[in-house]
Amino acid sequence: SAVISQKPSRDICQRGTSLTIQCQVDSQVTMMFWYRQQPGQSLTLIATANQGSEATYESGFVIDKFPISRPNLTFSTLTVSNMSPEDSSIYLCSAGEGNTEAFFGQGTRLTVV
Amino acid sequence: AQTVTQSQPEMSVQEAETVTLSCTYDTSENNYYLFWYKQPPSRQMILVIRQEAYKQQNATENRFSVNFQKAAKSFSLKISDSQLGDTAMYFCAFMIIQGAQKLVFGQGTRLTINP
Repeated sequence: SAVISQKPSRDICQRGTSLTIQCQVDSQVTMMFWYRQQPGQSLTLIATANQGSEATYESGFVIDKFPISRPNLTFSTLTVSNMSPEDSSIYLCSAGEGNTEAFFGQGTRLTVV
Repeated sequence: AQTVTQSQPEMSVQEAETVTLSCTYDTSENNYYLFWYKQPPSRQMILVIRQEAYKQQNATENRFSVNFQKAAKSFSLKISDSQLGDTAMYFCAFMIIQGAQKLVFGQGTRLTINP
């Protein structure tokens, strides 16, 4: 199994600013994923991040708003740009290998004021 | 596109009782995985149980078991001898074996175990 460390665990940010969330995996993984969980809702995939290539974004999510980096096989970042109160959510990082299971970080609770 | 539906937003049972959470899904794929994840107030997503679609035998993990009906596209979770620590949000999820390995989640069921 993989252990995923995600930080910050929570933050309160001013509208118009940006926040970068970091995700560190304790082993090398091919695919990493970023999900958003709006208050009281389920998880929605933002994008898939593969090392050495551009992230693949799901419908409704764009690179300018959610730029993603994947510099190596154990690390990824998600930036939430030009934040508004509607961006207040939990953001979760996930990593998978071989379709057997997806491991999750503990999530980042973001509040935009 | 794949969709996952959980029709029970909330459920509540007494400790030690058995509870079944429902999940249905829609896909044209033949090879896939199904999962139940638990999310306690700590926000950590914890894998409860996994089922491979090509396996007819229902998966079991201690007090947790599934009823997988592939033709009906149904994947329910049974929790036996429920415990206070089972209180959490439960999400049913789907993953295609080929391709992007991304998870599609249902809306979730909030389960409360009462003492």
